[in-house]
Amino acid sequence: AQSVTQPDIHITVSEGASLELRCNYSYGATPYLFWYVQSPGQGLQLLLKYFSGDTLVQGIKGFEAEFKRSQSSFNLRKPSVHWSDAAEYFCAVGLKAAGNKLTFGGGTRVLVKP
Amino acid sequence: DTEVTQTPKHLVMGMTNKKSLKCEQHMGHRAMYWYKQKAKKPPELMFVYSYEKLSINESVPSRFSPECPNSSLLNLHLHALQPEDSALYLCASSFAADTPGELFFGEGSRLTVL
Repeated sequence: AQSVTQPDIHITVSEGASLELRCNYSYGATPYLFWYVQSPGQGLQLLLKYFSGDTLVQGIKGFEAEFKRSQSSFNLRKPSVHWSDAAEYFCAVGLKAAGNKLTFGGGTRVLVKP
Repeated sequence: DTEVTQTPKHLVMGMTNKKSLKCEQHMGHRAMYWYKQKAKKPPELMFVYSYEKLSINESVPSRFSPECPNSSLLNLHLHALQPEDSALYLCASSFAADTPGELFFGEGSRLTVL
């Protein structure tokens, strides 16, 4: 069955430390890949997306993600976390055959320690 | 203008009430979406309108009735809801109507059913 998995339910990181959030998918074809962030009580905001081309993608707020076809992964990274990065992060996957429907992973909650 | 505006932000209703959630975007997007999000869970797709026509209905109960009066507006009519329908309802839009694309989310309408 097609699925999107974020293995880490929550991660705690110190301010200034690096952050990596994992996302794995199981689809037959290369999907369209997205990372969204949701602050408490807010809607979701797109951080970055991958459709094709360079497998290292730069996004907003200093985030980047790397698509690894061999590992079916699209992990999100940030070299130095700020307190304002505390939020819920969702990986999302779409397939051209499925039209404009996205499937979201379960999310990873990031807590930032001062 | 890159906003999706949702009203009301909060709504409390009884199980016999009829109410509506409203969503508006002026970005010229061709697709609009309703998602339901329970606490600590990812958004769940409910409906997709592409070019003002209902293109996806994720087997949502008939007590939820979507309406797309024009390309900028999307409503969700609510009637005879159950307490388990309490959730954050998110509206989103995308330029792409038939392929996966970036979703722009509103801040959501938090619904409480008593």
